[in-house]
Amino acid sequence: DAKTTQPPSMDCAEGRAANLPCNHSTISGNEYVYWYRQIHSQGPQYIIHGLKNNETNEMASLIITEDRKSSTLILPHATLRDTAVYYCIVRPYSYSGAGSYQLTFGKGTKLSVIP
Amino acid sequence: GAVVSQHPSRVICKSGTSVKIECRSLDFQATTMFWYRQFPKQSLMLMATSNEGSKATYEQGVEKDKFLINHASLTLSTLTVTSAHPEDSSFYICSARTTDTQYFGPGTRLTVL
Repeated sequence: DAKTTQPPSMDCAEGRAANLPCNHSTISGNEYVYWYRQIHSQGPQYIIHGLKNNETNEMASLIITEDRKSSTLILPHATLRDTAVYYCIVRPYSYSGAGSYQLTFGKGTKLSVIP
Repeated sequence: GAVVSQHPSRVICKSGTSVKIECRSLDFQATTMFWYRQFPKQSLMLMATSNEGSKATYEQGVEKDKFLINHASLTLSTLTVTSAHPEDSSFYICSARTTDTQYFGPGTRLTVL
């Protein structure tokens, strides 16, 4: 599985955009990029995923570089409730077996939104 | 998004007893569910993959006789921690997959005294 690298922590002012980077330089052509976040003492929350095109939903935008070796999760207007650990995960989309569905969590980025 | 529930959210038990945790997909059917464990200040670690109607697949180092998993229906998987000990105290989280995404439950905090 491809590995991801994220900064251990980031701060963002409330109301400003939070840009969370992720490096996945060894990503394979059949691997998606997924983003989850975990607020303290809760289960992870799905945010967004993409393969090679930029994606946007009601929570965030995902920008994937053309070479797919890195991506950025953008929270357009961060609020205090966005304070959480954000995980960037790559996962193959081959549905040949249960193992291909597994998510491997790294240490993520601890985002602190500051008033 | 899809909703996954867990019950109980918190449980305290005595050493040597067994504890059952339920994971339900509320608005979708899930042929595959996953069980994770998370110790304080650490990331999630996959314990096992639960497939409806078949035996679970356990990750290396996870005792299958201690952590019994049953996935009897497309919306319910259970994890039973047998003969619990204080070192089993942890945050247990399940997830259920749709076609391309895993959705997580809120977690169960287990404390073994």
